[in-house]
Amino acid sequence: GQQLNQSPQSMFIQEGEDVSMNCTSSSIFNTWLWYKQDPGEGPVLLIALYKAGELTSNGRLTAQFGTTRKDSFLNISASIPSDVGIYFCAGQLFGNKLVFGAGTILRVKS
Amino acid sequence: DAGITQSPRHKVTETGTPVTLRCHQTENHRYMYWYRQDPGHGLRLIHYSYGVKDTDKGEVSDGYSVSRSKTEDFLLTLESATSSQTSVYFCAIRMTGEGTEAFFGQGTRLTVV
Repeated sequence: GQQLNQSPQSMFIQEGEDVSMNCTSSSIFNTWLWYKQDPGEGPVLLIALYKAGELTSNGRLTAQFGTTRKDSFLNISASIPSDVGIYFCAGQLFGNKLVFGAGTILRVKS
Repeated sequence: DAGITQSPRHKVTETGTPVTLRCHQTENHRYMYWYRQDPGHGLRLIHYSYGVKDTDKGEVSDGYSVSRSKTEDFLLTLESATSSQTSVYFCAIRMTGEGTEAFFGQGTRLTVV
């Protein structure tokens, strides 16, 4: 089963609001990745994190690699309608396996 | 565009028939992955490859086999398709070493009737 617990499962927010989602695990990861998937498309990489404690931004997106290496969060500031989609966290384990959370569905009210 | 092509993009097949999905890359990446995506489960790893003829199982490998006879192609075979294998299948590629990320193909929607 899933080794990553991603929450919340879904969000319905007002345009302009900030969004926060996170992933936790009982396993230690070397790398955390955050992806966004639009309908009918494959996931697209948003942010990659490689070191414990690392905080990285990509435009309105900010993600952090937890200091215990067992969690990560993604923040989206000032959400806009095109932010809708499914957001996935992914963690790289030893042996180069990449495992994914179940996803957070983001819906934005315009 | 990460140079990944999945084929076919859509397929309908009958229960009990073998099915092969193809992932082709043009970037000479070492690692290739097959995932399936189902509502509520996210992306689950089926098999992955870390080089030609080097493969390993993921978390949902039962009923699937893979082959990688050359760097650019990673084939996923459903030996005898079942309705539970109706899903969207994604291939991903990744270079070796730190500081590298996985890039996904556009997916194959498989329906087993």
